[in-house]
Amino acid sequence: DAGVIQSPRHEVTEMGQEVTLRCKPISGHNSLFWYRQTMMRGLELLIYFNNNVPIDDSGMPEDRFSAKMPNASFSTLKIQPSEPRDSAVYFCASSLDFGRSYEQYFGPGTRLTVT
Amino acid sequence: AQSVAQPEDQVNVAEGNPLTVKCTYSVSGNPYLFWYVQYPNRGLQFLLKYITGDNLVKGSYGFEAEFNKSQTSFHLKKPSALVSDSALYFCAVRDGANNLFFGTGTRLTVIP
Repeated sequence: DAGVIQSPRHEVTEMGQEVTLRCKPISGHNSLFWYRQTMMRGLELLIYFNNNVPIDDSGMPEDRFSAKMPNASFSTLKIQPSEPRDSAVYFCASSLDFGRSYEQYFGPGTRLTVT
Repeated sequence: AQSVAQPEDQVNVAEGNPLTVKCTYSVSGNPYLFWYVQYPNRGLQFLLKYITGDNLVKGSYGFEAEFNKSQTSFHLKKPSALVSDSALYFCAVRDGANNLFFGTGTRLTVIP
């Protein structure tokens, strides 16, 4: 298996622009998680899905952030409009199921820079 | 409040020496505990987990961790450190309500 795939790996954009991050989970995994990592705040869980349904989006920082999972093999995280404080590494992770015994498998991340 | 604590931001150890990376937790219900490792410019990689059963859990790359219920700890250990073990290590816990908490990470440096 190729593991969790994220694109793009790097994104540089100007403040105010829309940014879309993409994730393909491991085939057969039912749960998908979006995280943000910064030096100041560490690793933050933004939102997670189970069977394509958003379960908890309480970590989404504000309305500028939205996430979708239209099918089992694809998810997007969108920021509109982007701001410099959104600069971070965004990780997608998937797990076999939502049960708490299941470990997560992380993608390589998307490094977002907003100027 | 429910949380995970990694009290050391940085751990330095000489190559060949044993290493310990500390983790304590505070959650409701029985904890399910995990360790992940992050190498530079990479995503987190699963190392090992404690669900139930034997308190000593063995994982990838020769790592092991011991669940101590009375001390609410789940320290990561390895008998003999390698330079290639140098990375950022995260402890994580899921509580009885399936909430997920990650620690702030500990940077391990193994000195040749």
